Amino acid sequence: EAQVTQNPRYLITVTGKKLTVTCSQNMNHEYMSWYRQDPGLGLRQIYYSMNVEVTDKGDVPEGYKVSRKEKRNFPLILESPSPNQTSLYFCASSRIAGVKAFFGQGTRLTVV
Amino acid sequence: AQSVSQHNHHVILSEAASLELGCNYSYGGTVNLFWYVQYPGQHLQLLLKYFSGDPLVKGIKGFEAEFIKSKFSFNLRKPSVQWSDTAEYFCAVGNNNDMRFGAGTRLTVKP
Repeated sequence: EAQVTQNPRYLITVTGKKLTVTCSQNMNHEYMSWYRQDPGLGLRQIYYSMNVEVTDKGDVPEGYKVSRKEKRNFPLILESPSPNQTSLYFCASSRIAGVKAFFGQGTRLTVV
Repeated sequence: AQSVSQHNHHVILSEAASLELGCNYSYGGTVNLFWYVQYPGQHLQLLLKYFSGDPLVKGIKGFEAEFIKSKFSFNLRKPSVQWSDTAEYFCAVGNNNDMRFGAGTRLTVKP
């Protein structure tokens, strides 16, 4: 089954404690991206990757890092989380940029 | 700058009412257009898409959208909504570099 898998689904953490949200897709897609969803702001892109070892900043990259060492995986790293990063995060992948995106189930992160 | 605008933040309708959600975009060159739906507690799913050809596209669950190039618009329509259409709807625009989403429109359908 074609899917994008994010883990964990829910996470509560404390300010400053490094965390990683994993994202994996099994469709051999080249394009992957991370979004955060906040009420009234819709989906804002954090980082995206056009292919392995190619990543670039989206609209709200501050406080986040990503890596794309393998085609299937695109982890999101928060080196020092802060309360303003409390949000719902979605990973998405598509065959190439600009075509139908497949979304993960989301990760609800709370930073206290 | 590239942007996607959805004019309605929250729309409340009664069952059987007609729906139209607005979407305008600011993008250079050729674009692909999408509407995604997010049911409560779920992830985004594709409702319909436009790449080229007939500007009136039909999607799942009776939804359709019309691409009007001169107005840079891609409005979503449904002639008669149901309670199960209660969800958040996102317009998205993509090209060969990226994909951008609008802020979303929350639709509440009262039974």
